[in-house]
Amino acid sequence: NAGVTQTPKFQVLKTGQSMTLQCAQDMNHNSMYWYRQDPGMGLRLIYYSASEGTTDKGEVPNGYNVSRLNKREFSLRLESAAPSQTSVYFCASIRAWDRPGIYGYTFGSGTRLTVV
Amino acid sequence: AQKITQTQPGMFVQEKEAVTLDCTYDTSDPSYGLFWYKQPSSGEMIFLIYQGSYDQQNATEGRYSLNFQKARKSANLVISASQLGDSAMYFCAMRGYSTLTFGKGTMLLVSP
Repeated sequence: NAGVTQTPKFQVLKTGQSMTLQCAQDMNHNSMYWYRQDPGMGLRLIYYSASEGTTDKGEVPNGYNVSRLNKREFSLRLESAAPSQTSVYFCASIRAWDRPGIYGYTFGSGTRLTVV
Repeated sequence: AQKITQTQPGMFVQEKEAVTLDCTYDTSDPSYGLFWYKQPSSGEMIFLIYQGSYDQQNATEGRYSLNFQKARKSANLVISASQLGDSAMYFCAMRGYSTLTFGKGTMLLVSP
């Protein structure tokens, strides 16, 4: 089925460990996003890639890095995990950010990350 | 900067009744879009409805309608004839320059 695929779905890390969250979409979308969701905070943008070859910081980029590997894939890396990064992470994509219309953003199913 | 405000942390409604979830926004962009998403307990984000800032008519999608009042900067979601399956967290979001900004959400509980 077409959509956004995130891996892994669950992960437990020890403080200081590193890991990469993977995201891939097969809808030929240009723009991809990483959000984190914390209780009472809604979804906050970490990084985004408006098009292949570009990445930009969002609202809460500290402690994260991203790579837009190709048009399909956008990964999020935690270099040295901290308990404050315990959260649910969502990847999302949209065909083109600058086109008005009813293009909803398509979200992956999320990665639940716990840092102990 | 864009800002989305959802002032209702939780709402209760009886089955078959209508409910309005509030959303106000602030932006300096002349062109923007407003979305509502539903997040059930399973965690996925489900796109419900979209309203463009230049759309003349309020958006409707089945039982969902968006009450868009541009001068007041509000984009309230109206769910008609609530169903038990509507119990979920609802997020209002705004598309501005290349990003999507979310409110903190409203938890809706539908009782029999």
